[in-house]
Amino acid sequence: GENVEQHPSTLSVQEGDSAVIKCTYSDSASNYFPWYKQELGKRPQLIIDIRSNVGEKKDQRIAVTLNKTAKHFSLHITETQPEDSAVYFCAARTAGGSYIPTFGRGTSLIVHP
Amino acid sequence: KAGVTQTPRYLIKTRGQQVTLSCSPISGHRSVSWYQQTPGQGLQFLFEYFSETQRNKGNFPGRFSGRQFSNSRSEMNVSTLELGDSALYLCASSLMRDNEQFFGPGTRLTVL
Repeated sequence: GENVEQHPSTLSVQEGDSAVIKCTYSDSASNYFPWYKQELGKRPQLIIDIRSNVGEKKDQRIAVTLNKTAKHFSLHITETQPEDSAVYFCAARTAGGSYIPTFGRGTSLIVHP
Repeated sequence: KAGVTQTPRYLIKTRGQQVTLSCSPISGHRSVSWYQQTPGQGLQFLFEYFSETQRNKGNFPGRFSGRQFSNSRSEMNVSTLELGDSALYLCASSLMRDNEQFFGPGTRLTVL
């Protein structure tokens, strides 16, 4: 089955800095990669996703890049703000298969004011 | 549109008891998945239901079961509770099986 590894497990940055979280996946058939943000005590919320026919996608201060050859994808947050502090999860899903995403273990992002 | 709702939000049970959790998907969504979230294991997939049929099951013992009703609402049941079942149980709904998933707030289950 699919295996997703996420790094780092904890990331501490100063407000205004950029943050990058990286994930690798094992199944070359995976073609959908969502990112979720989970604030303390709240539900995971989809913040951005990318499909394998696209190399990069941006939404304001967040972007995701995908390298299918290397089987890794990354979340980039620019101009970080304290409200970006949360746990971020990446996931990979294979189309035409089970449709079940495999999640990474999560990255705790701390943005210091 | 209202989001995914789950009831109850909090539960405290003792070992050996059973529990039923409920999930109401976003209106029009037909696929419901359940996940167990713990600090040590992250998000672990439990089941996926679509059109009242279980389409996939994760690697959990038979004490964990579920079902989906004709209105797409779903329930999951855990029998003979163990201490290790303490977790946040999340359900997620999607329009169809290959669309993005939206999570509910979760049910926090504590087993004493």
